Amino acid sequence: ETGVTQTPRHLVMGMTNKKSLKCEQHLGHNAMYWYKQSAKKPLELMFVYSLEERVENNSVPSRFSPECPNSSHLFLHLHTLQPEDSALYLCASSQDSGSADTQYFGPGTRLTVL
Amino acid sequence: DAKTTQPPSMDCAEGRAANLPCNHSTISGNEYVYWYRQIHSQGPQYIIHGLKNNETNEMASLIITEDRKSSTLILPHATLRDTAVYYCIVRGASNFGNEKLTFGTGTRLTIIP
Repeated sequence: ETGVTQTPRHLVMGMTNKKSLKCEQHLGHNAMYWYKQSAKKPLELMFVYSLEERVENNSVPSRFSPECPNSSHLFLHLHTLQPEDSALYLCASSQDSGSADTQYFGPGTRLTVL
Repeated sequence: DAKTTQPPSMDCAEGRAANLPCNHSTISGNEYVYWYRQIHSQGPQYIIHGLKNNETNEMASLIITEDRKSSTLILPHATLRDTAVYYCIVRGASNFGNEKLTFGTGTRLTIIP
């Protein structure tokens, strides 16, 4: 256990559905991240939050909408997704101290878009 | 830009030491070498990191060459549960902007019974 939990672990949704992925960290960290891992592709950073402010958005389509209500929770709201959005979505957290900060990952949510 | 080069796959016998190489010839002075691994369909797991000196923890040892252009991750007594994709990552001191954590394709390590 890394101290980062994600729910649900598996999700199947249609292209017209709206769903949300949840991430919670129990490590007292001040930064949280969303990554996407498609089949046979490297992990791609999607969003970064530091102290609940979004500091990076890597040209992610607007059908993905992140929310960070506090330093322990991170959501990824999904709407009108495409089949190519099927992937493993990973959440991570770290303590931004200005030095080499280690990111700790959750187990991921396996998303399938039909 | 690929900052690191790793062999795509390796095998290691159970109980033996697994030595995973990584080349990072363009590493700059303030960049760290990080190692993560990812067991099938799970989140990446942090293993170890270092700047200049060799490092050891309960999971592994990290040997960095004096010129810092390459490194080796050593799993001293490999078990079947060490079968995973191992990622060598070079990054600077901050998680943000240009110094973010960038994963490549890694080395698929298979431990043979």
